[in-house]
Amino acid sequence: QQQVKQSPQSLIVQKGGISIINCAYENTAFDYFPWYQQFPGKGPALLIAIRPDVSEKKEGRFTISFNKSAKQFSLHIMDSQPGDSATYFCAASSSGTYKYIFGTGTRLKVLA
Amino acid sequence: GAVVSQHPSWVICKSGTSVKIECRSLDFQATTMFWYRQFPKQSLMLMATSNEGSKATYEQGVEKDKFLINHASLTLSTLTVTSAHPEDSSFYICSALGGFGNTIYFGEGSWLTVV
Repeated sequence: QQQVKQSPQSLIVQKGGISIINCAYENTAFDYFPWYQQFPGKGPALLIAIRPDVSEKKEGRFTISFNKSAKQFSLHIMDSQPGDSATYFCAASSSGTYKYIFGTGTRLKVLA
Repeated sequence: GAVVSQHPSWVICKSGTSVKIECRSLDFQATTMFWYRQFPKQSLMLMATSNEGSKATYEQGVEKDKFLINHASLTLSTLTVTSAHPEDSSFYICSALGGFGNTIYFGEGSWLTVV
């Protein structure tokens, strides 16, 4: 019940295209869902995060869509660029614990 | 923005020795820090939660006697891998809770190679 399932494992997108990464969870106590970007050999960097009281959040080219009833959330990267090539992790946590359960990661490659 | 610094960035040690990794919050106080381990091309796995002035809380399956965590001040937590073995070789990442809005900030990670 503590798992966060992430798909796809890898993704190749043309420059300018839309990258979509999906995550699903089971624990209904989760109420904070961040997305992280990680480059090789570096720590993860927060991209965008959402709470269950909204269904969508947009920051620049990054959008999170959240479906509370389905217990799913997704990251959309619009106008994908080669510089977006990295590994993306979704995560989930419960209020007050700040203990993140990470998804398995998606390796994104954006072709120039 | 808030910065979390880890030291060393990478370390090589001999099998059987101990190695210490530091995690510092540079411009904010962190009452809670977290330690993660990440094997190549895998996800981050939470090892333990470190609270200032108290014993760390370890996740299931993590050996507390092997991975010693000390959170002696509001800006420093240390992870000591004792009697390291090659299978302990991994990327160790800390995160700190604090700053504006009680946010989680991740460090840049520390590569440990045990030979």
